[in-house]
Amino acid sequence: QVQLQESGPGLVKPSETLSLTCSVSGYSISSGYYWGWIRQPPGKGLEWIGSIYHSGSTYYNPSLKSRVTISVDTSKNQFSLKLSSVTAADTAVYYCARDQNRVDYWGQGTLVTVSS
Amino acid sequence: AIQLTQSPSSLSASVGDRVTITCRASQGISSALAWYQQKPGKAPKVLIYDASSLERGVPSRFSGSGSGTDFTLTISSLQPEDFATYYCQQFNSYPYTFGQGTKLEIK
Repeated sequence: QVQLQESGPGLVKPSETLSLTCSVSGYSISSGYYWGWIRQPPGKGLEWIGSIYHSGSTYYNPSLKSRVTISVDTSKNQFSLKLSSVTAADTAVYYCARDQNRVDYWGQGTLVTVSS
Repeated sequence: AIQLTQSPSSLSASVGDRVTITCRASQGISSALAWYQQKPGKAPKVLIYDASSLERGVPSRFSGSGSGTDFTLTISSLQPEDFATYYCQQFNSYPYTFGQGTKLEIK
């Protein structure tokens, strides 16, 4: 059974960088699929942030592209999200996910609050 | 970016009702559309992919149809556990956008 688990700080100060890691079990990232990040502000809808292939190819949402970096560490079977220069508008539940023609596996989500 | 517009934004219905939710894309996306169900405090769960393919383990009362710009999710006979928020997502081109959601409530 494929499982994904997000980890990282739950509180980030404005202007700093949000960093999250997704640990994957039950499937080797090197075997294929795209692996991505999706967020959901409290009480609002879903926003796709970006995806990465095991080779390192990335696709980002243009609305966040200048601030986002997604990377992969196949040796640890993990992938990561960095979002720089955060503001209160970046407060959200962040999900890691396996995506291709649908998101079939999701992490449980982690709430990241941007506040001083 | 391709915009997805869901209608209605909210819907009240009763157990046993047949319900249809619509997702319209701002440009053609072939059949590259998925539908999700989300309950409070939980990650979304995929129901339908490639517009009409039922995800393994999802009850057959859920069905999807459409191609191009117009898509529908139908629940043939609502069950108590179906009251949730539903989202569509397109996979035709990056960025992979979501609809704004449809909240299905008990009448």
